[in-house]
Amino acid sequence: EPEVTQTPSHQVTQMGQEVILRCVPISNHLYFYWYRQILGQKVEFLVSFYNNEISEKSEIFDDQFSVERPDGSNFTLKIRSTKLEDSAMYFCASSSDTRPVNTEAFFGQGTRLTVV
Amino acid sequence: AQKVTQAQTEISVVEKEDVTLDCVYETRDTTYYLFWYKQPPSGELVFLIRRNSFDEQNEISGRYSWNFQKSTSSFNFTITASQVVDSAVYFCALSVGRSYNTDKLIFGTGTRLQVFP
Repeated sequence: EPEVTQTPSHQVTQMGQEVILRCVPISNHLYFYWYRQILGQKVEFLVSFYNNEISEKSEIFDDQFSVERPDGSNFTLKIRSTKLEDSAMYFCASSSDTRPVNTEAFFGQGTRLTVV
Repeated sequence: AQKVTQAQTEISVVEKEDVTLDCVYETRDTTYYLFWYKQPPSGELVFLIRRNSFDEQNEISGRYSWNFQKSTSSFNFTITASQVVDSAVYFCALSVGRSYNTDKLIFGTGTRLQVFP
């Protein structure tokens, strides 16, 4: 069964450092998402990406964040200068379509980011 | 604005009991989609069900069943004869699906279900 793959599963970084979270979406999917879940809290939308550009972003997704699809298979989330409050589980998701019959986002297993 | 409310933060039951997880949603859109995801202790999000706003038929899948009622804006989830492996956090989510290029999910705060042997 196809799946979304995220690496690494856990990353520890020092405050102020740049971090890149990597995702390999399902191969024929066209829509890509990043979500964040601070420990014990709800899952929050960060950004959606389609046709090589951001289609929607939340208030959380400020200038410190960027996304890229560098090579047609990977989808990355970069945090330029990490803060303690960026510590969270980051989920990548992809879907084949936004139309009703295909509105199911497949989630990766998550990357737990710990900023120290 | 869209919103999902899961008023139950934590529920504890003993194995074999039935349990219902409540979900109330808010949206002004007439076309929308409702989801349930399970998050086991390992942390991943496991898709359970998707329901669109035009289909109010209840659904049953094994021990799981879902009751969608537009009149009360609710999409409740019942586990029959609960098992220890059902212990997880369960999230209800909403998508309004109005945009051609984005389909973000709006999650509730989750309900932690603990099933004791």
